[in-house]
Amino acid sequence: EDKVVQSPLSLVVHEGDTVTLNCSYEVTNFRSLLWYKQEKKAPTFLFMLTSSGIEKKSGRLSSILDKKELFSILNITATQTGDSAVYLCAVEASTGTASKLTFGTGTRLQVTL
Amino acid sequence: DTAVSQTPKYLVTQMGNDKSIKCEQNLGHDTMYWYKQDSKKFLKIMFSYNNKELIINETVPNRFSPKSPDKAHLNLHINSLELGDSAVYFCASSQDLRVADTQYFGPGTRLTVL
Repeated sequence: EDKVVQSPLSLVVHEGDTVTLNCSYEVTNFRSLLWYKQEKKAPTFLFMLTSSGIEKKSGRLSSILDKKELFSILNITATQTGDSAVYLCAVEASTGTASKLTFGTGTRLQVTL
Repeated sequence: DTAVSQTPKYLVTQMGNDKSIKCEQNLGHDTMYWYKQDSKKFLKIMFSYNNKELIINETVPNRFSPKSPDKAHLNLHINSLELGDSAVYFCASSQDLRVADTQYFGPGTRLTVL
């Protein structure tokens, strides 16, 4: 069965700190790895990673994938209170003609003043 | 305009009842999904449909029956509700069978079974 593990489960930091969130996976027929941010409602898409070693960046957020070691990290620099959320990692796996996402349990990030 | 909408947003009901959640997407996507998110925020796929055809059916009790009258709608009917069914149910859609970065989630329906 496909498995996605995120660490830490929760994290409290001060505004301005840099955080690193981890995601490791065991998936058959890997296609891509995705990061989502979930505040009070639906998850919103952040990044999709398909190739090893290529960093995706959006403002203060960046992510990289290591397909050999089967993990990804999400970095957030100069954190702000608006970054407080649950960050979900999901791995897309092929199921024949279709694909499906398997999610990790998420990392709950709280940024305090 | 809301891309993926669900109704109702909140649903409180008694054990044993039957209830439905509706989902509609106006993105012109071919594929729609139902996910369940439990109290620990664990999000798990339940079903996917492509052009009204069932594609993925995870290990879900057969009390849960999805229905897709057309490719813009995917409804979820739940019979004989149990306490463990309490969760947030998210509908989602994607351009096609390839999930990837085209998947959009609806706002969720919080189901509470008493």
